[in-house]
Amino acid sequence: GQNIDQPTEMTATEGAIVQINCTYQTSGFNGLFWYQQHAGEAPTFLSYNVLDGLEEKGRFSSFLSRSKGYSYLLLKELQMKDSASYLCAVRDFAFGGYQKVTFGTGTKLQVIP
Amino acid sequence: KAGVTQTPRYLIKTRGQQVTLSCSPISGHRSVSWYQQTPGQGLQFLFEYFSETQRNKGNFPGRFSGRQFSNSRSEMNVSTLELGDSALYLCASSLEGGSFYEQYFGPGTRLTVT
Repeated sequence: GQNIDQPTEMTATEGAIVQINCTYQTSGFNGLFWYQQHAGEAPTFLSYNVLDGLEEKGRFSSFLSRSKGYSYLLLKELQMKDSASYLCAVRDFAFGGYQKVTFGTGTKLQVIP
Repeated sequence: KAGVTQTPRYLIKTRGQQVTLSCSPISGHRSVSWYQQTPGQGLQFLFEYFSETQRNKGNFPGRFSGRQFSNSRSEMNVSTLELGDSALYLCASSLEGGSFYEQYFGPGTRLTVT
């Protein structure tokens, strides 16, 4: 089966840096995604990692360690609009040759002044 | 470029009925994936369609089915509705099939089963 763990909630200050961790367990890992979801809205794609290392995209960076089953999303220069839920999702191979994607329950980030 | 559209946006059905939801992907996108989102279970993958064929699927019962048309529009059907099917149903489109890469989500259809 698939198991993805993320902290439920985090609070950080405007202008600061925050790191949201995600750990996963799967036998057929084939990629990890991060999505942002504002309350009442649909998720929006942030980043994708399939190889170990850091992927940087403006104020957002995502890191992956496949051997540790670990990823983090780093948000720099936090802005109030970054208050949202951040979803970690793992793509893996399922029975019968299918691929599937499994989402974590999300980390609700609150940015305070 | 128009985004992903879903119809209807809200739906109320009675237990035992069936329902059909529609999703129109971004122009040029050929892959459509469907997800169920609930407060307790979070976002769960239902299935993916690419080139009118179901390419990938999650762990949902056979009551949940779908199809895709030649213009890439997709429909999802749920038969014999149960109270636990009340959820936000999201579809997402992407260029490639099977990769789930850079998916664009629609606004969702909120289904309430009474």
